[in-house]
Amino acid sequence: DQQVKQNSPSLSVQEGRISILNCDYTNSMFDYFLWYKKYPAEGPTFLISISSIKDKNEDGRFTVFLNKSAKHLSLHIVPSQPGDSAVYFCANSGGSNYKLTFGKGTLLTVNP
Amino acid sequence: NAGVTQTPKFQVLKTGQSMTLQCAQDMNHNSMYWYRQDPGMGLRLIYYSASEGTTDKGEVPNGYNVSRLNKREFSLRLESAAPSQTSVYFCASSVVTSGRYEQYFGPGTRLTVT
Repeated sequence: DQQVKQNSPSLSVQEGRISILNCDYTNSMFDYFLWYKKYPAEGPTFLISISSIKDKNEDGRFTVFLNKSAKHLSLHIVPSQPGDSAVYFCANSGGSNYKLTFGKGTLLTVNP
Repeated sequence: NAGVTQTPKFQVLKTGQSMTLQCAQDMNHNSMYWYRQDPGMGLRLIYYSASEGTTDKGEVPNGYNVSRLNKREFSLRLESAAPSQTSVYFCASSVVTSGRYEQYFGPGTRLTVT
């Protein structure tokens, strides 16, 4: 039973436009959601997190929105740049010890 | 400040061989984790250590052991490697401060078991 779902395996966007990456979850008992970017042959890079008591968090070009009633999370990247092309993972942290459960990822391609 | 470091970067083992993957972090984090990533899958937690001296199983612990040597170091051991353990292994450490949670990853170890 996958608790964190990224239903779009890939997304293609033009440079300068907005990229919207989506994530759905089933477990309501969580403390934080996190987004990571991953390039091939590298470790995941932490981008941004949001706690369960908030509905929005912003950091530069990255904004994460949390809709608890819909159990839905999204990451907005504005403006998108070719260097943003990577696999993006969402993860949530529930229970003690802040263990993360990851989605399977979405490949974002930003075209020049 | 190197963050999270892992050694080795690559390793090829024969079935039945043993090895230890090393991980160290210099951010003074209490919690450390070991994950594996397989094609088409997200990262899956193998073991974690909430603090020095404690370790607990994650989602896929079978075939692995861990040691939290001190606050900085968390090693993962394969006692008898199997082809199903061919994967990329990531170590991570985490911190919660001022309502923010951040978990940082190392560069990974690519392991092939033949």
